Amino acid sequence: GAGVSQTPSNKVTEKGKYVELRCDPISGHTALYWYRQSLGQGPEFLIYFQGTGAADDSGLPNDRFFAVRPEGSVSTLKIQRTERGDSAVYLCASSTGHSSNEQFFGPGTRLTVL
Amino acid sequence: AQSVTQLGSHVSVSEGALVLLRCNYSSSVPPYLFWYVQYPNQGLQLLLKYTSAATLVKGINGFEAEFKKSETSFHLTKPSAHMSDAAEYFCAVSLSGGSNYKLTFGKGTLLTVNP
Repeated sequence: GAGVSQTPSNKVTEKGKYVELRCDPISGHTALYWYRQSLGQGPEFLIYFQGTGAADDSGLPNDRFFAVRPEGSVSTLKIQRTERGDSAVYLCASSTGHSSNEQFFGPGTRLTVL
Repeated sequence: AQSVTQLGSHVSVSEGALVLLRCNYSSSVPPYLFWYVQYPNQGLQLLLKYTSAATLVKGINGFEAEFKKSETSFHLTKPSAHMSDAAEYFCAVSLSGGSNYKLTFGKGTLLTVNP
């Protein structure tokens, strides 16, 4: 079946602009995670959804970052007033939400802020 | 809280040689441990996971890892490296219990395989 998909695959924007990154999880997966991977680093947790609600947003770096999952499936990560330091690969993962379950990762969106 | 340390940001081996990638973790509760592989321009793929069953875990592509609680380690090994194993490898930990299984990753180890 289809895996996790993310769009766009690449996004170039200018400092100060607003961007939206989309994640389509595997059908039926209730848990959805966003991570950010900077160059030369491992992925860092941003936010976790269980169903429609954000169960843990402790990884969001500041209030310019926001994410939604209104129907419990597709999620959108929104970044306001982008800064050059936001440049990174944004990864989405989904799982069934059961204990110890594997997280399936999408290919990521590479965001470049000029 | 949890954390992961991967010793060696870059490991180079010859084709056919043993692969050993090191991972040490810190966790306040019994952990779940994972190894992921990332090929260039691709997403993360799970190699194997430890979830409190057998301490020696076998994964895909001939990789295995052993959970050693006394050493807080979860090193990844493969007896004989193939050229196709060249990639970046990430060790990750999540906490057992609760419902949030967010992963905390190490910084990664880039594996180079020389012919």
